[in-house]
Amino acid sequence: QIQLVQSGPELKKPGESLKISCKASGYTFTDYAMQWVKQAPGKGLQYMGWINTQTGKPTYADDFKERFVFSLETSASTAYLQINNLKNEDTATYFCALMGGLFDYWGQGVMVTVSS
Amino acid sequence: DIVLTQAPLSVSVTPGESASISCRSSKSLLSSKGITSLYWYLQRPGKSPQLLIYQMSNLASGVPDRFSSSGSETDFTLKISKVETEDVGVYYCGHRLEYPPTFGAGTKLELK
Repeated sequence: QIQLVQSGPELKKPGESLKISCKASGYTFTDYAMQWVKQAPGKGLQYMGWINTQTGKPTYADDFKERFVFSLETSASTAYLQINNLKNEDTATYFCALMGGLFDYWGQGVMVTVSS
Repeated sequence: DIVLTQAPLSVSVTPGESASISCRSSKSLLSSKGITSLYWYLQRPGKSPQLLIYQMSNLASGVPDRFSSSGSETDFTLKISKVETEDVGVYYCGHRLEYPPTFGAGTKLELK
């Protein structure tokens, strides 16, 4: 069965960087694009963008064109989200997801806390 | 970007009763292929969102048929019949008609 397993929680200081992983299994990694979704504490779902798992080309939503980087390690069936120059407002849970026309699979989410 | 407006923001339901949640889109979600690109999710406390309904009215795999959805091109309703304790959480509508996908603000379902 398809599974997306994400890395563990992170506690960072403003200005630092972090890299979250999302390891996929149960399907051919390059068959589906990987999406990323942010959820601030007590808030709704905010779409961040996606990465083409065949070409590695990322596409970012408008609010995530600065400081956010999507990448892949295809040999390891793993997608990454890097956030540079962390800000307090980056405190959130970050989900990777497969969002097909007829199905969804979501990772368990990574809670990121940015605090001095 | 397409704006999805949900109502109400919260609903309190007696177990065994029904609940309805509305989602209104700022743009028609009917694609040129005749598919209405409206999705419903449930996010249980502390969990990832779970797909309930895809393409407006199709039940996702494993979702009980107590859940149903209907609508037009811009107005949609999720109905939950005979609400159970496992239905507690936040319900989101979302679209995939065009880039970027967006989500409604969510409707919190609680039990009386």
